[in-house]
Amino acid sequence: GQSLEQPSEVTAVEGAIVQINCTYQTSGFYGLSWYQQHDGGAPTFLSYNALDGLEETGRFSSFLSRSDSYGYLLLQELQMKDSASYFCAVSSRGGKLIFGQGTELSVKP
Amino acid sequence: SAVISQKPSRDICQRGTSLTIQCQVDSQVTMMFWYRQQPGQSLTLIATANQGSEATYESGFVIDKFPISRPNLTFSTLTVSNLSPEDSSIYLCSVEWGNTEAFFGQGTRLTVV
Repeated sequence: GQSLEQPSEVTAVEGAIVQINCTYQTSGFYGLSWYQQHDGGAPTFLSYNALDGLEETGRFSSFLSRSDSYGYLLLQELQMKDSASYFCAVSSRGGKLIFGQGTELSVKP
Repeated sequence: SAVISQKPSRDICQRGTSLTIQCQVDSQVTMMFWYRQQPGQSLTLIATANQGSEATYESGFVIDKFPISRPNLTFSTLTVSNLSPEDSSIYLCSVEWGNTEAFFGQGTRLTVV
């Protein structure tokens, strides 16, 4: 079977740093990606890791450890507009994405 | 990048009827993907649509209920047939780009009454 685990919700204040963890168990693995989804909107791509290590894109960074089947998304200098749902997703054969259940991030003033 | 136009954006349908959702991509892509997202839930892959061949369905989804067409490399439709209230959900089409990221249509919010 295939499963991804991530926290259901996280709360943080503006300007803070938050880390959203994701552990996965899948039969095929090509990479781990992260998507942001605001209420009523479509998921938008944030980051992708195929190899172990840290990928940095502006205020967002993503980390992957393939040996631990673990990754995380790090959001720095949180802003109110970062309040959204964040999904980790495993890329498998044929370009398919298997999504985690999502983490709802609430940023407070 | 890819831009996907999906329509309708929302619809309210009577049970027993069908709804066809269209997705148009601004570039030619080999595969298109259809997902379902129930309110407050994650995205679940329904099927993968390749041009020139039958769609590949995930476990729990069947062609009779979710027929898919893929007439060319920029267009696909998903039909949700014989609607029941349990089909009320958001349906999204998606394409993969550069083997790293996916682009999504804006979604179709379906309510079955």
